[in-house]
Amino acid sequence: SQKIEQNSEALNIQEGKTATLTCNYTNYSPAYLQWYRQDPGRGPVFLLLIRENEKEKRKERLKVTFDTTLKQSLFHITASQPADSATYLCALPGDSSYKLIFGSGTRLLVRP
Amino acid sequence: DAGITQSPRHKVTETGTPVTLRCHQTENHRYMYWYRQDPGHGLRLIHYSYGVKDTDKGEVSDGYSVSRSKTEDFLLTLESATSSQTSVYFCAILGQGTTEAFFGQGTRLTVV
Repeated sequence: SQKIEQNSEALNIQEGKTATLTCNYTNYSPAYLQWYRQDPGRGPVFLLLIRENEKEKRKERLKVTFDTTLKQSLFHITASQPADSATYLCALPGDSSYKLIFGSGTRLLVRP
Repeated sequence: DAGITQSPRHKVTETGTPVTLRCHQTENHRYMYWYRQDPGHGLRLIHYSYGVKDTDKGEVSDGYSVSRSKTEDFLLTLESATSSQTSVYFCAILGQGTTEAFFGQGTRLTVV
């Protein structure tokens, strides 16, 4: 069956360090993968999209990689700040390009 | 916020009663989605719509129905609410010409 896996344990890091979050998927061949940020009590907010023919994408302190052979995406936040503390979700299209399926998310805590 | 409004924002209802949640958008987006979010499960797709009167099932559609009689409104109905449907429900739309999803503020539904 199709599955998207993100680490359910919270990632706890020191301010200034790089946070790395993982998204693994099985039985999908997605044309793209997305990352969202969700704060408590709010809906997710889109951060980045990476297509299957792109190895890496950057936006300010964010970097996403996409390895279609490993079926994995890595999401990096460099020079992390306490304001980066949130839950981060990956998403990819299901059996239709517009059927967006989400992972369960990983909570990031950045200590001052 | 991409002009998405969910109503009500909070609701407590009794087991066995029908409940309808409304998602309203102001920008003529074609694709609309209903997700539920529960601890440990992340966001799960219930139903989505790709146009007026065009809908399809998601991962967890049992016990839910939807209707979209006009572009701006996507209704989610629980025909006979059960305690397992206690959750936070999010509506989302896809931005025009993109696969980026924008989410509403969420509806917290409690079935007692």
